[in-house]
Amino acid sequence: SAVISQKPSRDICQRGTSLTIQCQVDSQVTMMFWYRQQPGQSLTLIATANQGSEATYESGFVIDKFPISRPNLTFSTLTVSNMSPEDSSIYLCSVEEGANTEAFFGQGTRLTVV
Amino acid sequence: RKEVEQDPGPFNVPEGATVAFNCTYSNSASQSFFWYRQDCRKEPKLLMSVYSSGNEDGRFTAQLNRASQYISLLIRDSKLSDSATYLCVVDTGRRALTFGSGTRLQVQP
Repeated sequence: SAVISQKPSRDICQRGTSLTIQCQVDSQVTMMFWYRQQPGQSLTLIATANQGSEATYESGFVIDKFPISRPNLTFSTLTVSNMSPEDSSIYLCSVEEGANTEAFFGQGTRLTVV
Repeated sequence: RKEVEQDPGPFNVPEGATVAFNCTYSNSASQSFFWYRQDCRKEPKLLMSVYSSGNEDGRFTAQLNRASQYISLLIRDSKLSDSATYLCVVDTGRRALTFGSGTRLQVQP
């Protein structure tokens, strides 16, 4: 199974600032996924990061707010821009692999916006 | 209607009890099914895939009923360490997997 390193593990940020989350995979993968998990909720897909093309965003998420980079097949970043307290959440990166497309996750980034 | 629905719980059971969780999905074209476990403040981790014929892994048994579009997870002889949130996950053919909202299990001594 893929090993995914995500950082930072947590941060407390001032409103109006931006935070970039990094995700490193120990193998080459075609697609990487970014999720948000708000307190007591399940995972909501933000976008799919493809190498060599723009990320594909889900309904309710836009590139200006959550720009994503995917410079190669093992790395991706998600930026949370112009943060407000409503952005306080856990952000998770993920890859899918295996015969049954199981998902594997980074350790998550716990973001608090004050 | 949500694509994947679960009873949120919490299920509070004594050690040694048997507990079952159910999950329903709306997309009949869904192809793969999973149960994930998420501990507090941790990332979700794959517990087991769910196969049409049903499958067992130690104290855990997963069943799939395609006709009724539901998936179940049975945990026998519950341990304190089984306390967690269990996520039902479905591959609906979209870009990424679809996650249920999770069922909380609390096993008590």
